Amino acid sequence: GAGVSQSPSNKVTEKGKDVELRCDPISGHTALYWYRQSLGQGLEFLIYFQGNSAPDKSGLPSDRFSAERTGGSVSTLTIQRTQQEDSAVYLCASGVAGPSEQYFGPGTRLTVT
Amino acid sequence: QKEVEQNSGPLSVPEGAIASLNCTYSDQGSQSFFWYRQYSGKSPELIMFIYSNGDKEDGRFTAQLNKASQYVSLLIRDSQPSDSATYLCAVRDYGGSQGNLIFGKGTKLSVKP
Repeated sequence: GAGVSQSPSNKVTEKGKDVELRCDPISGHTALYWYRQSLGQGLEFLIYFQGNSAPDKSGLPSDRFSAERTGGSVSTLTIQRTQQEDSAVYLCASGVAGPSEQYFGPGTRLTVT
Repeated sequence: QKEVEQNSGPLSVPEGAIASLNCTYSDQGSQSFFWYRQYSGKSPELIMFIYSNGDKEDGRFTAQLNKASQYVSLLIRDSQPSDSATYLCAVRDYGGSQGNLIFGKGTKLSVKP
């Protein structure tokens, strides 16, 4: 079946602009996760949704970052007033609830110039 | 600070040999453990998960878990050049409310023909 999809695959933006990244999880997966991976670094957890709710937003690196999920499906991660340090690959993963495995999408490579 | 530690490598093995990848974690309460493979420029791909002490085999891959020693490993038998990738160890974080994965920085494996 279809896996996790993300769009755009690449995004180049100027410093100070806002960007929106989209994630479409595997059908039926109620849990959705956003991570980011900077060059040469490990994966950093950003936020988790169970259904449409994000119980804890403390993983978001600053208040310029926000995320929402509607209809228990598609999620968008918004970064306002982008900075060069926001440049990274943003990865979305989905899974069923509980102690189960997570499946990653192809990622969005964000470059802030 | 919960941590997952991996040797960054590179680990170089000849084709046909056994590759052994190791990972330690700091949270004694961790229950679920995952190995992902990440090719350069691609997103992580789930290879194995293990929840119980002991060995779990899937084809050429064997995951080994020792909760007393807080140690998890991945063995790749009959290594192939196509196995050359970065291998990420991940531990599910149940200390918070989110069940997100905490990743190590990965071990780069190179299988030489």
